[in-house]
Amino acid sequence: QLQLQESGPGLVKPSETLSLTCDVSGASISDSSYYWGWVRQPPGKGLEWLGGVYYTGSTYYKPSLKSRVTISVDTSRDQFSLKLYSVTATDTAMYYCARHARTRLGGAIPKFDYWGQGILVTVSS
Amino acid sequence: QSALTQPASVSGSPGQSITISCTGTNNDIGTYRYVSWYQQYPGKAPKLMIYDVSIRPSGVSNRFSGSKSGNTASLTISGLQAEDEADYYCSSYTSTTSLDVFGTGTKVTVL
Repeated sequence: QLQLQESGPGLVKPSETLSLTCDVSGASISDSSYYWGWVRQPPGKGLEWLGGVYYTGSTYYKPSLKSRVTISVDTSRDQFSLKLYSVTATDTAMYYCARHARTRLGGAIPKFDYWGQGILVTVSS
Repeated sequence: QSALTQPASVSGSPGQSITISCTGTNNDIGTYRYVSWYQQYPGKAPKLMIYDVSIRPSGVSNRFSGSKSGNTASLTISGLQAEDEADYYCSSYTSTTSLDVFGTGTKVTVL
């Protein structure tokens, strides 16, 4: 059974970098059928897709965040990571890692079939 | 901002059927069959309930069904039960690069 688990600090200071890792177990992160993505949810609000990575290292990002975000993959460890730079209070959210589908041409399909339990990250001094 | 619009809340009595709408555009729901629905309980991760408009993953109750017409997708819950009280989100593949693919979310209340 595929499982995803987020890890990282729960408190980040404003202007610093938020760094999270997602460990994948029960399946290979190198499965060519899937992307590995990050979704966040501010308290009391809806879901926001931040971007994701393919096992080859190919990435895609939400355009409005592209200048502040980096997502990477480490296939040797079956894990992928999120870095969000220059954070502010508006980046406070539950952050989820999730697996999702891709089209044969490489399009990212928002069919998230496996999710981590989520990690709450608070941006505060 | 969300690209897909859902009603903020829908309610029904046990045993009734309810339908949640998800309105998009020709850039997403109107063109593609990659529509998914998620159920989320407070403090929990979303759970995939429907994908590709109307397909239920293994283990999801057949009381949940999906459809679409034009630019609007719908999730119907039949035989409403107390355990169905949760937030529901739709999502759709989009031809844009915005990644604004989730709906605004609907809170389902069982009266």
